Amino acid sequence: AQSVAQPEDQVNVAEGNPLTVKCTYSVSGNPYLFWYVQYPNRGLQFLLKYITGDNLVKGSYGFEAEFNKSQTSFHLKKPSALVSDSALYFCAVRPTGKLIFGQGTTLQVKP
Amino acid sequence: DVKVTQSSRYLVKRTGEKVFLECVQDMDHENMFWYRQDPGLGLRLIYFSYDVKMKEKGDIPEGYSVSREKKERFSLILESASTNQTSMYLCASSDLPAFTYNSPLHFGNGTRLTVT
Repeated sequence: AQSVAQPEDQVNVAEGNPLTVKCTYSVSGNPYLFWYVQYPNRGLQFLLKYITGDNLVKGSYGFEAEFNKSQTSFHLKKPSALVSDSALYFCAVRPTGKLIFGQGTTLQVKP
Repeated sequence: DVKVTQSSRYLVKRTGEKVFLECVQDMDHENMFWYRQDPGLGLRLIYFSYDVKMKEKGDIPEGYSVSREKKERFSLILESASTNQTSMYLCASSDLPAFTYNSPLHFGNGTRLTVT
């Protein structure tokens, strides 16, 4: 079965430190890859996507993601975390028509 | 900016009631989607629509139906609400043909439904 895994339910980071939110996937073919963020009491917002080309993708709010085909991973990164980055992050994969979401990772950035 | 508006932020209904969740988008998008979000399960697709009067089942359509009479409006219907349908419901839209796989989704703020 096709799936997306976010192995950490929660990631804790101090403000100013780099952050990584992990995502691995198991799908056939060459899927499109996405990251979304959900702030409290809000819907999801699109952060970035990987379609093809450069393995490092830059997105909104200073986030970037690194695609690794051999490890089937698409980790979200930011060089310097902000308290305002605290939110729920979803990785999503689109092998065909339907988007498959991971279960989400809560990012907590402490001052 | 794309705006996807869900008519209710919070909703409390009784078991057996017929429930309507409304969603409107203002960007003339062809595709609209209904997801439910549950802790630890991520988002699961209930139904989607790629054109007026067209609908396709998602991964968990049982107990739900949808209606799309106008391009901008996509309604989710719980025919007879049950307690296991207590959840956060998210509507989304996208602006490219349904099988252009690289288009991001634009989400509404969600409706938190409680069925008692």
